[in-house]
Amino acid sequence: NAGVTQTPKFRVLKTGQSMTLLCAQDMNHEYMYWYRQDPGMGLRLIHYSVGEGTTAKGEVPDGYNVSRLKKQNFLLGLESAAPSQTSVYFCASSWGQTDTQYFGPGTRLTVL
Amino acid sequence: SQKIEQNSEALNIQEGKTATLTCNYTNYSPAYLQWYRQDPGRGPVFLLLIRENEKEKRKERLKVTFDTTLKQSLFHITASQPADSATYLCALDSGGYQKVTFGTGTKLQVIP
Repeated sequence: NAGVTQTPKFRVLKTGQSMTLLCAQDMNHEYMYWYRQDPGMGLRLIHYSVGEGTTAKGEVPDGYNVSRLKKQNFLLGLESAAPSQTSVYFCASSWGQTDTQYFGPGTRLTVL
Repeated sequence: SQKIEQNSEALNIQEGKTATLTCNYTNYSPAYLQWYRQDPGRGPVFLLLIRENEKEKRKERLKVTFDTTLKQSLFHITASQPADSATYLCALDSGGYQKVTFGTGTKLQVIP
């Protein structure tokens, strides 16, 4: 089992560029999450999904979009990147909303 | 406002001693609380979950307590080892859409 994987691991964007981060899990989990982690801010929830075809906003959704077309994949999109989106992005998955979350290795994104 | 507080200053302890990390919260009524470990450049890894009706939970050298009156959880690592050096995050059931909210973490350094 690979668990939760994320691609890419690193990315540098220029302001205004777009990109998509891919998260994949092989544990058949229903719930998937996207977080960003910034120094002194902790993990903040961007968007989450409670099942295939569903998405919902978290604490800091502005500037991001997500899609969950397949149960095992959760995509995070930045349509027009801004320097404020420079961060480390983590994907996670869980069986249910109160269950342990399994995290991916993270994507370090820099927006110049 | 809702707040989760973990000591932002690093905790340095001597190998073999017991490390105690604190997680305080305000304006939450969590049904459970989790502790995660995060190593540099990696995603958080689940360690323990304790429910509101449990006072204490143990797993090998780890012990977690949960005092809903004090609104505090303590995380203990006994006989600490240099390999225990990491950042430890508490996460609590925050209800509503977010489900789980993470603290900013405390960095533990175990000195040989």
